[in-house]
Order: sequence, then structure tokens, then C-alpha cells
Amino acid sequence: SYVLTQPPSVAVAPGETARISCGGSNIGDKSVHWYQQRPGQAPVLVISYDRDRPSGIPERFSGSNSGNTATLTISRVEAGDEADYYCQVWDSSSEHPVFGGGSKLTVL
Amino acid sequence: QVQLVQSGSELKKPGASVKVSCKASGYTLTSYPLNWVRQAPGQGLEWMGWINTNSGNPTYAQAFTGRFVFSLDTSVSTAYLQITSLKAEDTAVYYCARDANDYGDSYFDYWGQGTLVTVSS
Repeated sequence: SYVLTQPPSVAVAPGETARISCGGSNIGDKSVHWYQQRPGQAPVLVISYDRDRPSGIPERFSGSNSGNTATLTISRVEAGDEADYYCQVWDSSSEHPVFGGGSKLTVL
Repeated sequence: QVQLVQSGSELKKPGASVKVSCKASGYTLTSYPLNWVRQAPGQGLEWMGWINTNSGNPTYAQAFTGRFVFSLDTSVSTAYLQITSLKAEDTAVYYCARDANDYGDSYFDYWGQGTLVTVSS
């Protein structure tokens, strides 16, 4: 089945920009969705369809998708952004959703 | 507002069964498919499958066939996950999640708070 690869960890200082990648074969041909999971909490959708922000998600969160890599970008990172982030796509061959392994964002 | 409220934590012995509930409010349960996602301790998210909330027809991911059962009670807007013959490796947080689409291309716009199931003798 389709495999999504994320870096296990990303670390940035407050106020800087965090970029979390999600790799997959021709992922640019798929729609990518991103979830934030703070410690001890349920996941929250932060980006749908590569770049759409649900209501209530700050404009600091943005997404892009091209070629073999999708990217979640968090600008002006805050301490409250410290969380695990998961990318997800629909695998049309298996007709199943697939999650990446997750990336832990640490705010230094 | 849309909410999915799950039942509380469970401690079970190996071989027992558990039934986790997920009550929907703020929308009509039958309007969107409902998915189940597992998260083992310290691990990532794993899709378990989904239930068609109109027909009640479940679909299970390959790793979750046999001991896992999805069901509904639409009269109380509630979905259920039952796990039988529990094993230690079933210890995890189980989430229900609403599918934003009803035509495939699934993604999850609302999640329950999660239910911790611990299997230990």
C-alpha cells in the first residue's frame, strides 16, 4: 500500500518558521491533509486538501504539495505549536486512508 | 457544534471483550461516515476502518479483521467499537473520527476525545 514518510522530529526556536515534510510517490497527484496532536489530546485537522485551513486554524499554518513531497509550514512558531503532526492521504488503490508516521515538533 | 463524545477508559483482562461508544451531537450521525483510528502507546495513528452510517455496513482495514466489530445505534446517534478476545497488544487509545467526505478520498474533520483501553492481567 501507499507509504508516507515524515521526519521523526523537527525543532525550531520561537518566532521562526517550521517546515514539516511528508514524502510519497507522486504525492503531488493526491490531496494531503494534516493533523496536529498535542500531548494527551485527540488529533485536530489543521490543513485539508493540501492548503485549506479549517475555521479556527491560525493563518500561520499553511500547506503545499508538489512532486514527491508535501509540506506543512508553521510561521512565527509559538510554544503552543509543540505537538505531533501527521500527514494523511487517500490511497485510491487500496481505497483506504493512509497516515504518515508523524513528526514531533519541538519549540526550543 | 459538532461533537463526538466517547466512553471512558477501560481496564480489561486478556481474553475479555470491550465495547467503546462514540456519541455524535451537533449533526446527524447518518450524514457522514464514521471511522475508527488506533494509537498504541507512543506510536502513530493507524486507521482501523469505517462504518457506513446509512446502511450500517462496516469496512475493516486488513489488520483489524476478525476480533473487531463496528456497529451503530442511530436512535441514540451512537457508534460502537467492540473488541473481543483482548490481547495485551490491543492496549491503545481508540478514536472515532467523522469522515468529511462520503465518496472516498477520506479525511477526518472531527475526532472523539479518545478512549484508552488497557489490557493487563
